[in-house]
Amino acid sequence: DTEVTQTPKHLVMGMTNKKSLKCEQHMGHRAMYWYKQKAKKPPELMFVYSYEKLSINESVPSRFSPECPNSSLLNLHLHALQPEDSALYLCASSQQGQGFYEQYFGPGTRLTVT
Amino acid sequence: GQQLNQSPQSMFIQEGEDVSMNCTSSSIFNTWLWYKQDPGEGPVLLIALYKAGELTSNGRLTAQFGITRKDSFLNISASIPSDVGIYFCAGPLYGANNLFFGTGTRLTVIP
Repeated sequence: DTEVTQTPKHLVMGMTNKKSLKCEQHMGHRAMYWYKQKAKKPPELMFVYSYEKLSINESVPSRFSPECPNSSLLNLHLHALQPEDSALYLCASSQQGQGFYEQYFGPGTRLTVT
Repeated sequence: GQQLNQSPQSMFIQEGEDVSMNCTSSSIFNTWLWYKQDPGEGPVLLIALYKAGELTSNGRLTAQFGITRKDSFLNISASIPSDVGIYFCAGPLYGANNLFFGTGTRLTVIP
């Protein structure tokens, strides 16, 4: 089973709202990722969690706040977003250890900021 | 900055034709991945390559890890309508967890 699930599928929020995106995997992976993808562009890495600790933050604005409550769950808390933050947000997971491991992606959350 | 360039940018082919696309980089990669993404969905891993010169197949798909380690190729044989989508190459850059994606090739299959 290589399934990563994400909720919600679609989200519309105003610039003053607070919302959260959720991601879950049950593959026993210990690395989890958030990516942002704008239309007609490749995914861009935002955050990496390794063994539930934040290991990479690609200079993402503080209005995006990641959280990894346990090894299966990954959240992305959103606050005071801008319209240019509208995008497809993708979660991925992989094994973690020495060397590179293949990343498996969820279906994404389509976010629209109004 | 670093860019993985994919070509062609887009292609329109007749059902049943073979497809070739490639990915080139100015940096050396030790791993190449190929993903397919349908509209509004997440990328799906197709093939992973770990050794220079490696040739790996997955059904009608065949991918190769270039000898120079700066390029990779993906071929699709006997295309079918469900092959439609965007194909991305990707590789780890600046560390094992930092996956960097190519610019993508958009494939349209005409029945």
